[in-house]
Amino acid sequence: EDQVTQSPEALRLQEGESSSLNCSYTVSGLRGLFWYRQDPGKGPEFLFTLYSAGEEKEKERLKATLTKKESFLHITAPKPEDSATYLCAVPPGAGSYQLTFGKGTKLSVIP
Amino acid sequence: GAGVSQSPSNKVTEKGKDVELRCDPISGHTALYWYRQSLGQGLEFLIYFQGNSAPDKSGLPSDRFSAERTGGSVSTLTIQRTQQEDSAVYLCASSLAGGETQYFGPGTRLLVL
Repeated sequence: EDQVTQSPEALRLQEGESSSLNCSYTVSGLRGLFWYRQDPGKGPEFLFTLYSAGEEKEKERLKATLTKKESFLHITAPKPEDSATYLCAVPPGAGSYQLTFGKGTKLSVIP
Repeated sequence: GAGVSQSPSNKVTEKGKDVELRCDPISGHTALYWYRQSLGQGLEFLIYFQGNSAPDKSGLPSDRFSAERTGGSVSTLTIQRTQQEDSAVYLCASSLAGGETQYFGPGTRLLVL
């Protein structure tokens, strides 16, 4: 069973059309949920870390929220430069410091 | 303020040859991680180094894969007798300590012919 599931796999938005990406996780004792952005041919770029249910973080047009079972990445009035693959990740369990990643949501913002 | 660097950026090799991939972490970061990203797959953990502790090798897919970290800084991932299924992007990340935010390098794109 996957510990991290992201949906949708792909999302096309018109410029200015707000939407949300979902990341659901099944690990217990969450020690942080991480959001990254990955552009083609590049390594993942860190966006946010969330640690507890109810926590929210914002950066420009992005806002990440966390519940006990899932996280949402809200994109408000997106621009074409927001096009990328968005990845979420969690440490898989107690004593593990590596990250288990979801397969990502590929976002395309059309001008 | 350099980030994580990796070399080479691209590597093409023939099946059966050995390859070495290099990672220079952010200065002062004690934790270093290797991941693999294959087409259609998510990022897959390979190995984790923390300071002078024994590395966590639980993600290495076979004994053809090995890694070392010299002097607590630079790391080398070695793949022996490469196979076509080893073709992937190999990503290195570092963090201040285990469990802290990981910062990724640009990756090495490996193609095994």
